[in-house]
Amino acid sequence: KNEVEQSPQNLTAQEGEFITINCSYSVGISALHWLQQHPGGGIVSLFMLSSGKKKHGRLIATINIQEKHSSLHITASHPRDSAVYICAVLGFGQGNLIFGKGTKLSVKP
Amino acid sequence: EAGVAQSPRYKIIEKRQSVAFWCNPISGHATLYWYQQILGQGPKLLIQFQNNGVVDDSQLPKDRFSAERLKGVDSTLKIQPAKLEDSAVYLCASSLAAGPTDTQYFGPGTRLTVL
Repeated sequence: KNEVEQSPQNLTAQEGEFITINCSYSVGISALHWLQQHPGGGIVSLFMLSSGKKKHGRLIATINIQEKHSSLHITASHPRDSAVYICAVLGFGQGNLIFGKGTKLSVKP
Repeated sequence: EAGVAQSPRYKIIEKRQSVAFWCNPISGHATLYWYQQILGQGPKLLIQFQNNGVVDDSQLPKDRFSAERLKGVDSTLKIQPAKLEDSAVYLCASSLAAGPTDTQYFGPGTRLTVL
């Protein structure tokens, strides 16, 4: 079993829809990252969380430490949001991230 | 601020050949990471440097992969000899330090195809 599980693996939405991507992990963590990867490979860090909730524009990330679960929400989705969204965790006392397999999002106009 | 630079962007080689990738991190970033991302998977850490020292190379296949960061700035990752299963995107990332609040900045990656 992977230490970081994401769902769904693939997601297709219509422009304007509210989107939720989930991440569950099995280890104690000091931080959780949400990353965005566009076709061509470039990865951009969206959020780093250790508790609570963060918001940036149309993106919202939440984390529940007790339940070992995080969600990434996109409001009013747009075709330019189409990308792979990756959840990664930094375990306690660890220096490197453990990555999920990613969720491929496709937003249709 | 310039981002993480990687070259080449694409490389096609035959199995048993050698290949090298180059990474120039963001200026001032002490920590440098090399990741391997196989199609459909999340990135997997190969090696982490703190300045010019190796912090973690536990998942680096040392019989064929090697990496160095001699002056604590740019880094090279080498595969010798390459196997078909090495086909992947090789990502370099850097961060100011390696703490839980340090954001990693990723380069565009090098897509390697081994035929």
